[in-house]
Amino acid sequence: GQQLNQSPQSMFIQEGEDVSMNCTSSSIFNTWLWYKQDPGEGPVLLIALYKAGELTSNGRLTAQFGITRKDSFLNISASIPSDVGIYFCAGAAVHGSSNTGKLIFGQGTTLQVKP
Amino acid sequence: NAGVTQTPKFQVLKTGQSMTLQCAQDMNHEYMSWYRQDPGMGLRLIHYSVGAGITDQGEVPNGYNVSRSTTEDFPLRLLSAAPSQTSVYFCASSWLGGSSETQYFGPGTRLLVL
Repeated sequence: GQQLNQSPQSMFIQEGEDVSMNCTSSSIFNTWLWYKQDPGEGPVLLIALYKAGELTSNGRLTAQFGITRKDSFLNISASIPSDVGIYFCAGAAVHGSSNTGKLIFGQGTTLQVKP
Repeated sequence: NAGVTQTPKFQVLKTGQSMTLQCAQDMNHEYMSWYRQDPGMGLRLIHYSVGAGITDQGEVPNGYNVSRSTTEDFPLRLLSAAPSQTSVYFCASSWLGGSSETQYFGPGTRLLVL
């Protein structure tokens, strides 16, 4: 089945530093999504990408949909303590040329920010 | 809108007991799904539904049943709980089709099976 490999698994950075994480897959996706999960909460959508090559920003967050449709990255600039959490990539599974509505999730990147 | 709601927030079961995890959404979303989250494994799809009366299996369906009698509700049933089902369970919903595939997640149900 389709799988996503997300890296790094965890990061411990200093406040103010930039962060980069990525997801790769052996399969293509029509949609890439990035979620953040705070402790004890459900994932919350950060950025959605719908077109290969698309680069989208949301405040200090920037994400790109790889041109091969098999990868995506998320950058966080000038990190702050509230950026702490688990970040997940997700791809919308396809069957043929149709979207199935199912999401495949990466394993998550745990981010810790030292003030 | 309340979004996606889940009950209970926490539950402790003994092996062999049954229970139903409730999920409801008030956004008129066609698509609803259940995931389980285990450390280091991300979220794995258990069951999903593309509309009332339609359900299908996800990646890890064994030990779980679902039904979708209304658009709003999508309960997850554990008929005979096992320790391997100790996990955090998330319900999610979204519109179907086109570019509207972003899923909204509930706050989760933390289940411990002894």
